[in-house]
Amino acid sequence: QSALTQPASVSGSPGQSITISCTGTSSDVGGYNYVSWYQQHPGKAPKLMIYDVSNRPSGVSNRFSGSKSGNTASLTISGLQAEDEADYYCSSYTSTSTRVFGGGTKLTVL
Amino acid sequence: EVQLVESGGGLVQPGGSLRLSCAASGFTFTSYSMNWVRQAPGKGLEWVSYISSSSSTIYYADSVKGRFTISRDNAKNSLYLQMNSLRAEDTAVYYCARDQKGYYHFDIWGQGTMVTVSS
Repeated sequence: QSALTQPASVSGSPGQSITISCTGTSSDVGGYNYVSWYQQHPGKAPKLMIYDVSNRPSGVSNRFSGSKSGNTASLTISGLQAEDEADYYCSSYTSTSTRVFGGGTKLTVL
Repeated sequence: EVQLVESGGGLVQPGGSLRLSCAASGFTFTSYSMNWVRQAPGKGLEWVSYISSSSSTIYYADSVKGRFTISRDNAKNSLYLQMNSLRAEDTAVYYCARDQKGYYHFDIWGQGTMVTVSS
């Protein structure tokens, strides 16, 4: 049950696009289309942003999109806004029917 | 309003026990699988445990297996986590989180309850 690998931090200016990667193995990210992404502001509970690799829940801005290639999933945020500054976590279903999270990525909007 | 409210956190000595509760409201609790997820201070999210809607299927993270027990009472719309043999590394905010029906992601989260293991 090793954590998925995410960059510790990414940054971008308002209006720009950024991408956060999430690397796992064939036993989790690569083996299933069950990757989800969560946004967490300081002191708050996580919020679901993307599920099943690329699906957005109702109410989530279409500036957020997800994709996957092999063992690596990605979250892209376009048209960066100040309120996007937060921690982002990926998660995947695994071959042992458990779940695993990434280590988290701190997004800074410059 | 769909809501999850955790309770039961606090300060406990190493080796001690604590029972967390999660009260669900605003949805048909009996239809949903549930999870516990924790977050150590300043650290990332860690999935802890899963229980199916009927309690027939249960999974644990290796880090808590044999020490923690997940359960639910569908008549009371409540989820529980019994934590025994607590260690300093169990110190974290514990969240209960709902699985979206038929999917493998957490669509609803509680606000969390803090557990501190320290002498």
